[in-house]
Amino acid sequence: EVQLVESGGGLVKPGESLRVSCVVSGFTFSNYNMIWVRQAPGKGLEWVSSISSRSSHIFYADSVEGRFSISRDNAKNSLYLQMNSLRAEDTAVYYCARVGTGYSGSDYVLYFDYWGQGTLVTVSS
Amino acid sequence: IQMTQSPSSLSASVGDRVTITCRASQSISSYLNWYQQHPGKAPKLLIYAAFSLQSGVPSRFSGSGSGTDFALTISSLQPEDFATYYCQQSYTTLITFGQGTRLEIK
Repeated sequence: EVQLVESGGGLVKPGESLRVSCVVSGFTFSNYNMIWVRQAPGKGLEWVSSISSRSSHIFYADSVEGRFSISRDNAKNSLYLQMNSLRAEDTAVYYCARVGTGYSGSDYVLYFDYWGQGTLVTVSS
Repeated sequence: IQMTQSPSSLSASVGDRVTITCRASQSISSYLNWYQQHPGKAPKLLIYAAFSLQSGVPSRFSGSGSGTDFALTISSLQPEDFATYYCQQSYTTLITFGQGTRLEIK
């Protein structure tokens, strides 16, 4: 059974740092790209960052570029998101998800097929 | 790439046929996925590559479209289908979601 379990969320003050983690099981972690997606209270989904299977390709949303850092440890089946200089607008549930690939008949399309339950990060003074 | 869903909310009854649309600000070929989210839960993949049904998803869900205009159709609403639905493009490395469509019981 595929499982993704996030941890590390909590209450921090503006300007502080926090690292959230995602431990996976049930699949070969080192074969898959991974992402972080967040959801502010009562709002929609926002992609935060992506990392390829061997960490060779990393991408960030403009809203977190320069403040957040994604990483992974394939030996520990773990994905991380280091969040620095946190702001009130970073308050959200943070989800990790696995990136799958499907063929449309003409294109290989990336999608997010397994998600964790999320961890809540609250930034408030 | 901006993704715009319509409507933002929708009221319907069990057994109804409903369609949610998603428009991309530029052509994204078939790089379009649909997700369902119940309150307090993680999103669930329904449709990938515009029209391919994810394993385990009931056949009453279907997807269509290509280029800039896409649709998610639920052929006969069931009680468990009342949730929020999101489209998402993966045409570019900067992934974007639609704002969501909340499907409510009439």
